[in-house]
Amino acid sequence: QVTLKESGPGMLQPSKTLSLTCSFSGFSLSTSGMVVSWIRQPSGKSLEWLAAIDWDGDKYYNPSLKSRLTVSKDTSNTQVFLKITSVDIADTATYYCARRLGDYWGQGVMVTVSS
Amino acid sequence: DIQMTQSPSLLSASVGDRVTINCKASQNINKYLNWYQQKLGEAPKLLIYNTNNLQTGIPSRFSGSGSGTDYTLTISSLQPEDFGTYFCFQHNSWPYTFGAGTKLELK
Repeated sequence: QVTLKESGPGMLQPSKTLSLTCSFSGFSLSTSGMVVSWIRQPSGKSLEWLAAIDWDGDKYYNPSLKSRLTVSKDTSNTQVFLKITSVDIADTATYYCARRLGDYWGQGVMVTVSS
Repeated sequence: DIQMTQSPSLLSASVGDRVTINCKASQNINKYLNWYQQKLGEAPKLLIYNTNNLQTGIPSRFSGSGSGTDYTLTISSLQPEDFGTYFCFQHNSWPYTFGAGTKLELK
């Protein structure tokens, strides 16, 4: 059974660094062709593809945020991480991790940026 | 970035209706087009991948078609559980991009 679950701080202040974790089971990120992605969705709005990391460690970033994003994975290939630096109010959203092109998604974690 | 324009943004329909949602890409996306359904408070669910391939477990009343820049999601006979918001998504060119969504509501 494939499951993904995001975790994060819930709320943080502007200019801080947001750190998110995607913990998954039922598949391995070491499998050839496997990818885990991060997507976010502000309340009431559409979705934005942020970043992805594949089985070979290659990383993909949305150019609109590339300078602020870092995606990584753990050595056991059961967790993927996303860091977003210098957050501001516009980064308030629900953040999802997903397998491949979204055949499985986590439940999402809501992040609020507020002073 | 490839822009994905969905229409309509709001669709009112009744149970049993045949409904169509359209998505137009700003350039050719070579059929690398997925459709997702999202219900309030839930993560999106993959319905159709690569234009016309039904994801496992998705009812056959859902179908997709299109090519080039123009794509369509069709629900042949709307069921009560089909109400929600639908998003198209292109994965031809990075950064991958979503449409703005079509909210399907009960008439």
